[in-house]
Amino acid sequence: GAVVSQHPSRVICKSGTSVKIECRSLDFQATTMFWYRQFPKKSLMLMATSNEGSKATYEQGVEKDKFLINHASLTLSTLTVTSAHPEDSSFYICSARVQGRDTGELFFGEGSRLTVL
Amino acid sequence: GQNIDQPTEMTATEGAIVQINCTYQTSGFNGLFWYQQHAGEAPTFLSYNVLDGLEEKGRFSSFLSRSKGYSYLLLKELQMKDSASYLCAVMDSNYQLIWGAGTKLIIKP
Repeated sequence: GAVVSQHPSRVICKSGTSVKIECRSLDFQATTMFWYRQFPKKSLMLMATSNEGSKATYEQGVEKDKFLINHASLTLSTLTVTSAHPEDSSFYICSARVQGRDTGELFFGEGSRLTVL
Repeated sequence: GQNIDQPTEMTATEGAIVQINCTYQTSGFNGLFWYQQHAGEAPTFLSYNVLDGLEEKGRFSSFLSRSKGYSYLLLKELQMKDSASYLCAVMDSNYQLIWGAGTKLIIKP
């Protein structure tokens, strides 16, 4: 099966610092990756769609300058939370679609828990 | 290791009832989620169970037995639009989401 890996799984940082989260497709190429945010006991909230080699598409209400997304290769997308504040503390999860497989199937990473002090 | 098992595919008839099972083995337990995902779309949240028992929400119900490591999603009065993949996910002791591979549900007229 297709495996998506996220790193770090947990990060604690001070308010005002920036944090980068990586999402890697380990055994397949992904032209499209998705970034979600999940609050406790709530649904995944799609933040943005990351496309390899082009700018990410952000969902309404998501600050582009706050959540920087870079999809520089077919196996790696990064989400950088800039100038993090306690309200940014959340569970961030990525998913990826297998290039060339037109089934719409998504493979999810394990998630990254961010705590901003 | 951590493991989530659910059937790969199920077929049901419009108007009928279908039960999608999910068994899990994880290091710790902080809740079980069910998501619905239509092809090409992001998954949408259906339910969350952290205590044993049945949670009913309209046509959908979700059941959890922590002692058995077992959950099911029950869909009643099936409609064609219910054709989708249903993902079971468990949050372990580290608050990591462990995902099942999903069950593709096919609804026939």
